Amino acid sequence: SQKIEQNSEALNIQEGKTATLTCNYTNYSPAYLQWYRQDPGRGPVFLLLIRENEKEKRKERLKVTFDTTLKQSLFHITASQPADSATYLCAPLRGTGRRALTFGSGTRLQVQP
Amino acid sequence: NAGVTQTPKFQVLKTGQSMTLQCAQDMNHNSMYWYRQDPGMGLRLIYYSASEGTTDKGEVPNGYNVSRLNKREFSLRLESAAPSQTSVYFCASRGDREFQRAFFGQGTRLTVV
Repeated sequence: SQKIEQNSEALNIQEGKTATLTCNYTNYSPAYLQWYRQDPGRGPVFLLLIRENEKEKRKERLKVTFDTTLKQSLFHITASQPADSATYLCAPLRGTGRRALTFGSGTRLQVQP
Repeated sequence: NAGVTQTPKFQVLKTGQSMTLQCAQDMNHNSMYWYRQDPGMGLRLIYYSASEGTTDKGEVPNGYNVSRLNKREFSLRLESAAPSQTSVYFCASRGDREFQRAFFGQGTRLTVV
């Protein structure tokens, strides 16, 4: 069966450092992968999308990579800030929007001032 | 635009009681989803609907029923609530085209005692 794995342990880093979060998938051949941010008590919010033919995508301090050989996506936040503290979720996808949308369990990031 | 609206925001039920969680979206999306989120478990898909009149089971459908009332509304019903259904429930919607992001409601916090 399809499986999406994210680090279940919380990631604690110091302000200003780069945070790297991992999303691994098995029994999937996603054509693209989405990353979302979720703050406590709120619904997830979309951050970035990367397609299978893109090795890397950037948006301000965010960078996402997608390695279809390793079946892995990495999500980086550079110059991290306490405001970046949240849970980050990945969703590997294929096809149109009329399909099931499943997520990894998420990684909680805590940025210490 | 309101986006995705869920009601109620909080609910306490006694074991065996029934209730319906409501979800409505104003973005003209065909696809709608119901998730539950438990501590450390991430978002788990309960049911989804790819269009008005169709519904499909997700990862954890047991104990739930859904109705896609029209294009805007997708409801989740607990016929006989159990303590194991204590959770935060999120509704989401997504457009048809490939790469479309999902939009989430603010969640319903349900406690079954």
